[in-house]
Amino acid sequence: EAQVTQNPRYLITVTGKKLTVTCSQNMNHEYMSWYRQDPGLGLRQIYYSMNVEVTDKGDVPEGYKVSRKEKRNFPLILESPSPNQTSLYFCASSSRVSGNQPQHFGDGTRLSIL
Amino acid sequence: RKEVEQDPGPFNVPEGATVAFNCTYSNSASQSFFWYRQDCRKEPKLLMSVYSSGNEDGRFTAQLNRASQYISLLIRDSKLSDSATYLCVVIHTGTASKLTFGTGTRLQVTL
Repeated sequence: EAQVTQNPRYLITVTGKKLTVTCSQNMNHEYMSWYRQDPGLGLRQIYYSMNVEVTDKGDVPEGYKVSRKEKRNFPLILESPSPNQTSLYFCASSSRVSGNQPQHFGDGTRLSIL
Repeated sequence: RKEVEQDPGPFNVPEGATVAFNCTYSNSASQSFFWYRQDCRKEPKLLMSVYSSGNEDGRFTAQLNRASQYISLLIRDSKLSDSATYLCVVIHTGTASKLTFGTGTRLQVTL
């Protein structure tokens, strides 16, 4: 089954404790991205990657890092999490950003930073 | 001004009604447009792409007005199962890899 898998689905942690949210897709997609969703602000792109070893900042990259060492994986790293990073996070992939290609989203990760 | 704007709603409509949402965008170089549906606390799912000539998929019709810089979604014969938040997505020509989502319009269909 074609899917985007995020882990963990839920995480409560404390300020400053490094964490990684993993994202994996099995569709051989080139494009992957991370979003955070907050009430009243909608989905905002954090980082995206057009292919292996190619990453770029989205609208809200501060406080986050990503890597794309393999095509299927695109982890999101919070080196020193802070409470303002409490949010719902989605990973997405697409075979091509332009045209008709849809973004396939993971189930989401609900992150709470205390 | 936000790059992509939507009326947050909620739009409360009775079953069977026709409802329309608009989404305005500020960048005239925007290239591609989509409508997504998001159920509460779930991931967004593609509803339909929006073509320049307009397109229809069953009860759903999407249109693009480049001159006025907005896209629209029309839902005919609303069903209870249409209750969700509808997100518009815009891709800019100059930054073709970056998608911008609207904040969404919430639709509640009632009996």
